[in-house]
Amino acid sequence: NAGVTQTPKFRILKIGQSMTLQCTQDMNHNYMYWYRQDPGMGLKLIYYSVGAGITDKGEVPNGYNVSRSTTEDFPLRLELAAPSQTSVYFCASSYSRPGTVHQPQHFGDGTRLSIL
Amino acid sequence: TQLLEQSPQFLSIQEGENLTVYCNSSSVFSSLQWYRQEPGEGPVLLVTVVTGGEVKKLKRLTFQFGDARKDSSLHITAAQPGDTGLYLCAVPTGNQFYFGTGTSLTVIP
Repeated sequence: NAGVTQTPKFRILKIGQSMTLQCTQDMNHNYMYWYRQDPGMGLKLIYYSVGAGITDKGEVPNGYNVSRSTTEDFPLRLELAAPSQTSVYFCASSYSRPGTVHQPQHFGDGTRLSIL
Repeated sequence: TQLLEQSPQFLSIQEGENLTVYCNSSSVFSSLQWYRQEPGEGPVLLVTVVTGGEVKKLKRLTFQFGDARKDSSLHITAAQPGDTGLYLCAVPTGNQFYFGTGTSLTVIP
């Protein structure tokens, strides 16, 4: 059972480079999320999607872009990498709207990104 | 100001000890979830509490939702090294989940 799969697991970027973090889920979940986790700061929501073709900003969207062309995939794009984007990035999915049927979020194992 | 305040931020205890960690807010929530995150992995759901005053048990872990649904506690009895990890509380807000900053627990053998 794959669940939520994130690639790559590790990446080092130079300032100003761009990259795409991949996320795919095989549970037919409607809701997908991108978080970043910094030491001592918990999880901060970057972007989320309630279904294919629909995305919205979270708490910390600046410097990132997303797309949701299929139910399965929710890639996160960094256009001009900055040192402040050094973090661990987690993708998650859930079947329904938070709080409606108490469904859990299923998380991937994260992408550890360093910007130097 | 954080929507959810977790305390303590760090906790290091000996195997066999008991401990309680807290998740507090000034807001009322329809439900609250607790997750555990082990090093190098994503968070995994432990429990969802829904009703004010509700108590749920998961082996040696006891979760309680405050009567006013503004806060929650997690009590671990006879902690084991396998309990080591980051404990996060989370609440639904619209189409999103909001996470607390977490309690990092280390259980020393």
